[in-house]
Amino acid sequence: GQQVMQIPQYQHVQEGEDFTTYCNSSTTLSNIQWYKQRPGGHPVFLIQLVKSGEVKKQKRLTFQFGEAKKNSSLHITATQTTDVGTYFCAGDTGRRALTFGSGTRLQVQP
Amino acid sequence: GAGVSQSPSNKVTEKGKDVELRCDPISGHTALYWYRQRLGQGLEFLIYFQGNSAPDKSGLPSDRFSAERTGESVSTLTIQRTQQEDSAVYLCASTPLGQGTEAFFGQGTRLTVV
Repeated sequence: GQQVMQIPQYQHVQEGEDFTTYCNSSTTLSNIQWYKQRPGGHPVFLIQLVKSGEVKKQKRLTFQFGEAKKNSSLHITATQTTDVGTYFCAGDTGRRALTFGSGTRLQVQP
Repeated sequence: GAGVSQSPSNKVTEKGKDVELRCDPISGHTALYWYRQRLGQGLEFLIYFQGNSAPDKSGLPSDRFSAERTGESVSTLTIQRTQQEDSAVYLCASTPLGQGTEAFFGQGTRLTVV
């Protein structure tokens, strides 16, 4: 079945440093979504990428979708303590339910 | 309602007992998902309902797990003869059109089997 792998599992950065998480799917995706889960909270939608090679920005966050539509990345520039949480990618093949990656837990040291 | 509502928010049960978890999706959302999240882990897909189509039950871990949904409204997830490994947060999400649209999550039900 479809698998979505995410690395790293955990990253600890100093405030102001950059952060990147990578997502790889075993199958071609129709779209990929990114979610953020704060400690003790539930996942909250950040963005959806649909087109091959697409790049989208939200303030300090940059999202990319690979040319083959099988991988994606989320890059945060100059992290802040408010960025703390777990970031999940979720792959959609258009044929079944969203498949979530295992997540990357980000810790930001002030 | 304003968002996806799940109840109870917390449930402690004895091993071997049955539990029923409830999810009220956002009104008008056709698709509904159940996920399980163990402590510090990712989201494990359980089951997916989309309109009147047959549900995708491929993620249910055993026959002790079942779920129902009436039309496009409330869903219940039932776990029979609970085991300690069932302890987790059970998250429900709904989407307005199914695949390819943003999933809105409830706050989850934290299940503890003692």
